[in-house]
Amino acid sequence: GAVVSQHPSWVICKSGTSVKIECRSLDFQATTMFWYRQFPKQSLMLMATSNEGSKATYEQGVEKDKFLINHASLTLSTLTVTSAHPEDSSFYICSAWLVMNTEAFFGQGTRLTVV
Amino acid sequence: KQEVTQIPAALSVPEGENLVLNCSFTDSAIYNLQWFRQDPGKGLTSLLLIQSSQREQTSGRLNASLDKSSGRSTLYIAASQPGDSATYLCAVNYGGSQGNLIFGKGTKLSVKP
Repeated sequence: GAVVSQHPSWVICKSGTSVKIECRSLDFQATTMFWYRQFPKQSLMLMATSNEGSKATYEQGVEKDKFLINHASLTLSTLTVTSAHPEDSSFYICSAWLVMNTEAFFGQGTRLTVV
Repeated sequence: KQEVTQIPAALSVPEGENLVLNCSFTDSAIYNLQWFRQDPGKGLTSLLLIQSSQREQTSGRLNASLDKSSGRSTLYIAASQPGDSATYLCAVNYGGSQGNLIFGKGTKLSVKP
């Protein structure tokens, strides 16, 4: 199947700093990518839809100024958590569609811990 | 509201057993449905994709069925192995290539040797 690569797989940062997470589709182009957040023992919740060449669409309750999304190319979307706080600690995971059959492929996820 | 429910939340079985995981969804106008596997602290691995026009898909020891009219899908795992231990997630796509997936909370499977 298609491969989506996410980096880093884990990161620890100090409160108040910013963290950038990258999501790449390695062997296909993705005009749309999705960013999810997963709390312990919970399912994935969609944060935003990342559209190549245009602004991201954020779900209700997600602060667009805090979670900056950039989709500058057909194979790369980035999520930047700005001014991180301990409550932002979570598992962040991206996905991209393989358009020909609308199958979703996910990155490995990023475990963010803010101390 | 479009919701996806998975039952049971957790399941423990001895090695070799056949088992069924259940997924139900409130809105039957789906585009497709995917089953994923998630290992602790890891991303999601796509297991099976069923398009709305299909009734089942098979891959190895896995078989997934879809009944849109009743809003249900099942994942059947034959001859379970300890390596099958993971959380299995059901996700429904309502919007095609422009839509996102709506996930159930998953079934945590433990296969005892």
